[in-house]
Amino acid sequence: AQKITQTQPGMFVQEKEAVTLDCTYDTSDQSYGLFWYKQPSSGEMIFLIYQGSYDEQNATEGRYSLNFQKARKSANLVISASQLGDSAMYFCAMSVNRDDKIIFGKGTRLHILP
Amino acid sequence: EAQVTQNPRYLITVTGKKLTVTCSQNMNHEYMSWYRQDPGLGLRQIYYSMNVEVTDKGDVPEGYKVSRKEKRNFPLILESPSPNQTSLYFCASSEGSREVKETQYFGPGTRLLVL
Repeated sequence: AQKITQTQPGMFVQEKEAVTLDCTYDTSDQSYGLFWYKQPSSGEMIFLIYQGSYDEQNATEGRYSLNFQKARKSANLVISASQLGDSAMYFCAMSVNRDDKIIFGKGTRLHILP
Repeated sequence: EAQVTQNPRYLITVTGKKLTVTCSQNMNHEYMSWYRQDPGLGLRQIYYSMNVEVTDKGDVPEGYKVSRKEKRNFPLILESPSPNQTSLYFCASSEGSREVKETQYFGPGTRLLVL
């Protein structure tokens, strides 16, 4: 069965520092995709970044990058130069090619301190 | 504007009183899905639909029904709501190409309280 694990329920980081949010996954499928979403206090879900299992390079989107380590089955989100507006809940999610379900982790609440 | 809409945004009801949360998307997406979000549990998929008249159970389907009579609409039905269905509900849609890289577009969420 597919599973997403986010081991950090909450994190406090000083503004302008880089932050890494952990995500490990479990699947026996070879073809899968990994996503990160941000949920600010207003509640909406905002797509941040995607990594495919066959992608050779780590995905990057502006200040967001995904540290993809396939052998370790980890897909950590790295936010460079954190800003106060980065304070939010962050969810890691996975989809697999042979299954139409999408699985989310329990989330990490990130607090950026001024 | 491309969007997923949900109604109502907030709902307080009582145990056993049937309710429907509507979801509509204007992007001609084939894939639609319902999630519930609970503290400490993240988002859990309730039902999903790959196309009109095609629906499947997610991880937590008990107590919910869905229908997909039109491509744009995917209502969530609680026939007899119970307090343990108090939650934040999200509808989402994507193209449905079965590519793992598909990004889902989320609605704004519906906050439900069942007394």
